[in-house]
Amino acid sequence: GPKVLQIPSHQIIDMGQMVTLNCDPVSNHLYFYWYKQILGQQMEFLVNFYNGKVMEKSKLFKDQFSVERPDGSYFTLKIQPTALEDSAVYFCASSLGGLGGGTQYFGPGTRLLVL
Amino acid sequence: GEQVEQLPSILRVQEGSSASINCSYEDSASNYFPWYKQEPGENPKLIIDIRSNMERKQIQELIVLLDKKAKRFSLHITDTQPGDSAMYFCAASLTGANTGKLTFGHGTILRVHP
Repeated sequence: GPKVLQIPSHQIIDMGQMVTLNCDPVSNHLYFYWYKQILGQQMEFLVNFYNGKVMEKSKLFKDQFSVERPDGSYFTLKIQPTALEDSAVYFCASSLGGLGGGTQYFGPGTRLLVL
Repeated sequence: GEQVEQLPSILRVQEGSSASINCSYEDSASNYFPWYKQEPGENPKLIIDIRSNMERKQIQELIVLLDKKAKRFSLHITDTQPGDSAMYFCAASLTGANTGKLTFGHGTILRVHP
């Protein structure tokens, strides 16, 4: 089936540093999402992105977070500066349609540990 | 915003029996309900979904039911196998926001014992 790729698979950084998580969505997909999952819990929506713009973000999407997809390359989530509570697995997802029905395909996740 | 409740949190069944997971949602505007299976250390994988214009959908041993009036939906796995052991998440899509955001339940750990 359609594959979403994420780089890196793991990242360990010191608190206060910047981190960029990269997502290579399914090639013809138009909607892109980031979800955060703390160990043993459910995925929680952070943000979604369409046509170069943030469509909706949750309260988990703090001011230190930003997303972009310059020139159709990677869809990125940047955290600057990082905090201890940012440690989690971050999943990227993409879908062809966003109107409440586009199947979202999830990447393998980036495991972020902030020390 | 939308909230999704999922029960049970842990489900243990014998191989060959059925397993049922129940979810409820709050926003009557939600019209898309996917189910994801997640194995340890892996990404969530879509296993089946149902839209609000349907009440029942079956793919092989997976059955999903949707009761829009009660705002409940459920996943039933018939003839469970050890390979069905995993975490299962239900989700609802908030169509009113027109963004496709998924709101997930807290998950059910399914253990199928041989």
